Amino acid sequence: GAVVSQHPSWVICKSGTSVKIECRSLDFQATTMFWYRQFPKQSLMLMATSNEGSKATYEQGVEKDKFLINHASLTLSTLTVTSAHPEDSSFYICSAQIGGGPQHFGDGTRLSIL
Amino acid sequence: GENVEQHPSTLSVQEGDSAVIKCTYSDSASNYFPWYKQELGKGPQLIIDIRSNVGEKKDQRIAVTLNKTAKHFSLHITETQPEDSAVYFCAASIRNAGNMLTFGGGTRLMVKP
Repeated sequence: GAVVSQHPSWVICKSGTSVKIECRSLDFQATTMFWYRQFPKQSLMLMATSNEGSKATYEQGVEKDKFLINHASLTLSTLTVTSAHPEDSSFYICSAQIGGGPQHFGDGTRLSIL
Repeated sequence: GENVEQHPSTLSVQEGDSAVIKCTYSDSASNYFPWYKQELGKGPQLIIDIRSNVGEKKDQRIAVTLNKTAKHFSLHITETQPEDSAVYFCAASIRNAGNMLTFGGGTRLMVKP
């Protein structure tokens, strides 16, 4: 149980394009979803927290207009990287949580901007 | 805010030996401490967690201990196997305060056959 699916797993695109990443909780309804960014050989850095039906809460230093988060249902959250540039290249990981329970992570999306 | 430090950053052991990873946290209000295992190209997988009202928890070859007074917690893996090789992250959070996790820097565990 507690499976989180993330799509796509890998995307390569040109600088200036926008990329959407989906995070789905497959067998449970997630009250909260989190988005993280991970650089090679580094830890996970929280970008934002989103609750279904409300605006996401962004961590300090994360541009909300750059990283658009939509949490339209209890099983789906999306992260859109707008006007992506090479410095946005990273591993993006989502997690989903039921109430105060543990966070369950997706397998991440490797984003490469050329 | 919370700060979690993790040591060592890399750990190499022989198959069958034990491995210990240690973490310290700064916020005494933290009361939930999960451990995650991350394999290459994958997301973190929860392997064990402990709450502040418990001092020790065990699940087969994996155990976690917590010392609230000293604000540190440790992961113990016994009888290590090559498939235990991965990066392990500790984390801390304050339940009912957004449940946001603060992660340690990670430990790359290599189990040599």
